[in-house]
Amino acid sequence: DTGVSQNPRHKITKRGQNVTFRCDPISEHNRLYWYRQTLGQGPEFLTYFQNEAQLEKSRLLSDRFSAERPKGSFSTLEIQRTEQGDSAMYLCASSHKGGFNYGYTFGSGTRLTVV
Amino acid sequence: AQSVTQLDSQVPVFEEAPVELRCNYSSSVSVYLFWYVQYPNQGLQLLLKYLSGSTLVESINGFEAEFNKSQTSFHLRKPSVHISDTAEYFCAVSDTGGTSYGKLTFGQGTILTVHP
Repeated sequence: DTGVSQNPRHKITKRGQNVTFRCDPISEHNRLYWYRQTLGQGPEFLTYFQNEAQLEKSRLLSDRFSAERPKGSFSTLEIQRTEQGDSAMYLCASSHKGGFNYGYTFGSGTRLTVV
Repeated sequence: AQSVTQLDSQVPVFEEAPVELRCNYSSSVSVYLFWYVQYPNQGLQLLLKYLSGSTLVESINGFEAEFNKSQTSFHLRKPSVHISDTAEYFCAVSDTGGTSYGKLTFGQGTILTVHP
C-alpha cells in the first residue's frame, strides 16, 4: 500500500492561467474523490468517480473545472482561467469498493496559489 | 442535505489535561461518523470512525468518541493530551448508502493547541 499520491505538492500560477493536478489512488481502490479546502475551513466535496465514471459533481465545480479518470486509474483535475478565489488545497481520496471498513485514504494534497 | 457543526474553532489546553472537541451533525438519513486530524501542510489522517456496533469508539493514541443518536453528536475526548496532539481536527459524516455513500461532509475544524 503506497498510499494516495498527489502531484504537484505546490503550484503557484498567475491569474488566468490553466493548471492541472494529478492524483494516483491506491491501486485496488475503485472510487476516487476530489475535495477543496480553503484556509480555515473543512474540506468540501467537489466530485467523485467510480472506476472511470464521474458519478457526482458539486455545484462548487464551476464550468472552469473539469475532472477525468481515464481507464479508472489516475485522475486529473484541471482548472481553466484560474482566479484568486481558486487558491486552496486540493485533496484527493480513494476508497475500496467494499466501503469504509476496507479503507478510505487521503493524499497529502496540492496547494494552489493564484497570484 | 447533511451538515456538521464543530462548536469550538480553537481549544487551548495544557499538557496532560483532558480535552473534549464537540461535534454535532444534521442529517435526514442514517450516517457514518468520522474524526480526522490534519497537521500543517499535510493531508487528512483518519483518527477514528463509527460505522456500527458499540457507540463508543477508540483510536490507538488514546482518543475516543461516542455516537449519541438522540443528541446527534459525536464528541471527541482524550483524558490526557500531549504536545504532539497539537493539530486541527475535523468531524465528518457520510450517508450509509445510496449514491452519496462515500461523500464526506466536514465540519469547519477545531484547532487544538496543547501548551507545556
